[in-house]
Amino acid sequence: GEDVEQSLFLSVREGDSSVINCTYTDSSSTYLYWYKQEPGAGLQLLTYIFSNMDMKQDQRLTVLLNKKDKHLSLRIADTQTGDSAIYFCAESKGNTPLVFGKGTRLSVIA
Amino acid sequence: DSGVTQTPKHLITATGQRVTLRCSPRSGDLSVYWYQQSLDQGLQFLIQYYNGEERAKGNILERFSAQQFPDLHSELNLSSLELGDSALYFCASSPGMNTEAFFGQGTRLTVV
Repeated sequence: GEDVEQSLFLSVREGDSSVINCTYTDSSSTYLYWYKQEPGAGLQLLTYIFSNMDMKQDQRLTVLLNKKDKHLSLRIADTQTGDSAIYFCAESKGNTPLVFGKGTRLSVIA
Repeated sequence: DSGVTQTPKHLITATGQRVTLRCSPRSGDLSVYWYQQSLDQGLQFLIQYYNGEERAKGNILERFSAQQFPDLHSELNLSSLELGDSALYFCASSPGMNTEAFFGQGTRLTVV
C-alpha cells in the first residue's frame, strides 16, 4: 500500500481557509514536510515539522501533527488565488530519502 | 529560486536512444536525489548520492544510472528509452543526509 496518502482535489473560495490532509503509515517517520508545486515548476519546500512537535505555525501556514493517528494537515489561512497549486506531503525517517504522497490539487475560486 | 539547477529543461528524443540529465546542487549541499514524476505514479524516488557515493536506491530501472562527481554535480543517464519513460525528472539537494530537500525546476523528457 501507499506510504503517504492524500486526497487528490480540494476547492475553496478566496479568503477562506484551506485544510489539506495527509496520512502516513510508518510510525517511525521522523520528519514530515509540505511542498508546493505550481504549474510547470519544481517543488517548493513550504514547511516541515519534527515528529516530536504537535504544531508549527509560519505566517498563513499552520501544520498540525497527530502522531497517534499518523495524520498531518496543512492549513492555509485567507487562501488566495496564488495559492492554487499541487501540495505534496512527504515523510522521512531521517536516514531515508523523502517519500511523497501523490499530491492534492488546490483550486481557489475567486 | 531553490539554488538547484537542472539542464536541459526540455528534451525530446526517440525510443531506444540514450540521454543524460544534469544537476548542480545548491552550494554546500552534499546530498543529491533524483525523482521521477509521472501522472500515474506521482513522485518516485530513484537514487541518492552523498558526497560522491551512492547512498540509497529506489525504483530505478536497470536501464538508468547516475553518478555524482567530485564537484558534487550529478548526472542521470537514461538508456534504451521507452515511451513510458516520458516524465518530469527532478533533482533535489540537501545539506546532509535526508534533511529537507530543495528541488530544481525539473527536466521534462518526452520519448516519441
